[in-house]
Amino acid sequence: QKEVEQDPGPLSVPEGAIVSLNCTYSNSAFQYFMWYRQYSRKGPELLMYTYSSGNKEDGRFTAQVDKSSKYISLFIRDSQPSDSATYLCAPRPSGYSTLTFGKGTMLLVSP
Amino acid sequence: GAGVSQSPSNKVTEKGKDVELRCDPISGHTALYWYRQSLGQGLEFLIYFQGNSAPDKSGLPSDRFSAERTGGSVSTLTIQRTQQEDSAVYLCASSLRGQGTGELFFGEGSRLTVL
Repeated sequence: QKEVEQDPGPLSVPEGAIVSLNCTYSNSAFQYFMWYRQYSRKGPELLMYTYSSGNKEDGRFTAQVDKSSKYISLFIRDSQPSDSATYLCAPRPSGYSTLTFGKGTMLLVSP
Repeated sequence: GAGVSQSPSNKVTEKGKDVELRCDPISGHTALYWYRQSLGQGLEFLIYFQGNSAPDKSGLPSDRFSAERTGGSVSTLTIQRTQQEDSAVYLCASSLRGQGTGELFFGEGSRLTVL
């Protein structure tokens, strides 16, 4: 089993839809859970992160972590065409170590 | 500059040739990472530098790959005797390791095509 798994998509939704992007992981030592967004032909950029279990909200974006099931989610409300990108989850243990990235889920939001 | 700078942005080479890819990290960032992203694949870790030393080079796929960092700043990734399977986007990132979340700041990548 790979350490971090994501459905590659593409996930196609109409503008205004609520989007759910998910990630599963196998390493119970992961404590920080990051979501990176990557536009086509660009480098990834940090979108948001959470520490341990729970929810974190930032504008239209909500990150949710369930450590008991090793399941990470990113919700996007009122999705916009500008949200069209690949979303990569990247969990890591406490202490500083190299990030392990999922393969990413490609999201396409049509006007 | 304000961000991570990588060069060249695009490189086309013939199988068997050597290539060098350069990364100029954000000023003051002590940690530097190289990742590789192939079509349809995620980010594959290659090597991590802290200052000029490389405590983790576990991701280098073969001895044809090497990297160095000088002056705690610029890094060069060298691929010798390139093969077609080396074709990918090579991404460099830097961070203030040991502070905050350790967020990685990525460059836009060097797209390598081996013919």
